[in-house]
This record gives sequence, structure tokens and C-alpha cells, in this order.
Amino acid sequence: GAGVSQSPSNKVTEKGKDVELRCDPISGHTALYWYRQSLGQGLEFLIYFQGNSAPDKSGLPSDRFSAERTGGSVSTLTIQRTQQEDSAVYLCASSLGSGTPRYNEQFFGPGTRLTVL
Amino acid sequence: AQSVTQLDSHVSVSEGTPVLLRCNYSSSYSPSLFWYVQHPNKGLQLLLKYTSAATLVKGINGFEAEFKKSETSFHLTKPSAHMSDAAEYFCVVRGNNNDMRFGAGTRLTVKP
Repeated sequence: GAGVSQSPSNKVTEKGKDVELRCDPISGHTALYWYRQSLGQGLEFLIYFQGNSAPDKSGLPSDRFSAERTGGSVSTLTIQRTQQEDSAVYLCASSLGSGTPRYNEQFFGPGTRLTVL
Repeated sequence: AQSVTQLDSHVSVSEGTPVLLRCNYSSSYSPSLFWYVQHPNKGLQLLLKYTSAATLVKGINGFEAEFKKSETSFHLTKPSAHMSDAAEYFCVVRGNNNDMRFGAGTRLTVKP
């Protein structure tokens, strides 16, 4: 079956513009996560969706960042008024819901490389 | 709070020699720990995970890791390195809300 997919694979934008990044999780995975990987650093957690529950937004670095998940499947991460420090690879992951034996295993997409000029 | 520290940013070994990538964790309760690998221009792949079952965990590609509570460690090992093992390796602990707390990564170089 298909894995986690993300689009676009690369995005170059100008400072101050808004961008939208898309994630299609694995079918049947109710949990979805967004992470950011800056150059030479590990992954930074941004936001977590679990089913229809309110998302955990504790990792979002500023109010310019937001995410939604429509219909419990596809998710969009929006960055408003982009800044140069937003340049990074944005990774999406999905997993089975809590209460399942493989709940802990997250499957990652290939990422979107965002460059803010 | 849960966190991990990868003790080496870069490890270099010769092909056929053992690999040791070190990771220490901090957790207020019994942690779930993982090792992920990221090859150049490829996505993250799960190598192995520890979730309070056997303390010695075997993963893919001949890797294994041992959970040592007394040392708060979860080091990744492989008896014999292969050229294809060259990649970035991340030690990860699961956070309170199932978010994954990544270490800074260890870049493994394998010399012929």
C-alpha cells in the first residue's frame, strides 16, 4: 500500500508570503504529526492530530503556524508571513490510533523542503 | 519531560568493524524508545523500538539496541558495518502526547 505522501516536495517562496504544505497519511491511520527539521538538526515536533480530538499544538513555534486536518485524513500545514528562519524540511508522519499494538510506530513522509528567500 | 541525548554527532568506522551509536534518555516514567535512520535524500525509516518488553531489541539490517535503565541508555549497535549503513541515525523517545522527541542525530560514515 501507499505510504505517507507530502506535497510539494520543494517550495521556494519570498519572505512575507503564505505557504501551504500538504500531507496524505496512510489510509486507516488516525494519528498524524507534523515535524520540522532544520539544517543540521534533529526533528522538532510541531503538532499532533488524533482522530476527532482537539489537536496538540504545543510545538508550534508562533501564531504564524497553523494546521488543520479535514475529514480525519489529509492535513495542511499553513505558514503565514514566512520568515527566513522558517526554511527547513517539514515532515509529516502517521500512525495507528492509541489502543492498537502498533500505536507507537510512526511512518514518515518524504518531507517538503521549504526555502524562504 | 522526556528527552534524548545523542552523545556523538559523527561516528566513523571501517567496513566490517562494529558500530556503536550512543544515546541517553531522560524520562519520568518507563519510556518508549526508538532508533530511526535517514539515508541521504530519503525519508526516515524505523530501525527498532523498545516498549517495555525485552530489553535487547533487534531491528532491521542487523542493528540492535539494549535498554539499560540503570544507565538510562539505549545505545545502537551492529557487529559489522556495511557501506550501505552510512546515514544519519536518530534516537527518539515518545513524549507525553505521543509526539516523538528526536535527538540531534549521529552521522555514521563507513570507510572502505
